[in-house]
Amino acid sequence: DTEVTQTPKHLVMGMTNKKSLKCEQHMGHRAMYWYKQKAKKPPELMFVYSYEKLSINESVPSRFSPECPNSSLLNLHLHALQPEDSALYLCASSQTFNEKLFFGSGTQLSVL
Amino acid sequence: DAKTTQPPSMDCAEGRAANLPCNHSTISGNEYVYWYRQIHSQGPQYIIHGLKNNETNEMASLIITEDRKSSTLILPHATLRDTAVYYCIVRHIYNQGGKLIFGQGTELSVKP
Repeated sequence: DTEVTQTPKHLVMGMTNKKSLKCEQHMGHRAMYWYKQKAKKPPELMFVYSYEKLSINESVPSRFSPECPNSSLLNLHLHALQPEDSALYLCASSQTFNEKLFFGSGTQLSVL
Repeated sequence: DAKTTQPPSMDCAEGRAANLPCNHSTISGNEYVYWYRQIHSQGPQYIIHGLKNNETNEMASLIITEDRKSSTLILPHATLRDTAVYYCIVRHIYNQGGKLIFGQGTELSVKP
């Protein structure tokens, strides 16, 4: 199993909603990542977890709250988002943070 | 990590070799060159990486110049499925906590 699975694939939410994005991998990887990608732009790093601990937060607004409940699972909790937060949210994992990354197909988020 | 420069777009005829250049003139001796690609509506996919020597795998070849200031990714027989954005990324050998930072990339169009 070399897959990173992200759910849901599409999400539409209002600015007052609370929602969560989920990412799962069963490759035994100990590093997991969240990226944000706007249309026609490269992915931008948001968060890195290493051994279930947050190791990098790229100055992401607090309306995005990551969580790593175990080594296979990564969540991104969303609250009070703005329309400009509409983007493709990509999850990735790697054996450790020195290894190549495996990406999921992303969640396409629209904030109305 | 050193900055990379890539042409914004390239075309290639199906069945011909696609040669994608990347400049990384400020690369240090402790930095790898990585290549990823992103096919439309998918997450990025790892292709290959190298430090000093040329590398080849089932997907592509990576040629790094002797001074390491530039590299070329070669897809030997491009197919329509190779149409994608290709990212050249320089990454420290000890990776400084897990960052993989994408530049603007090259949009490769393989045409029949």
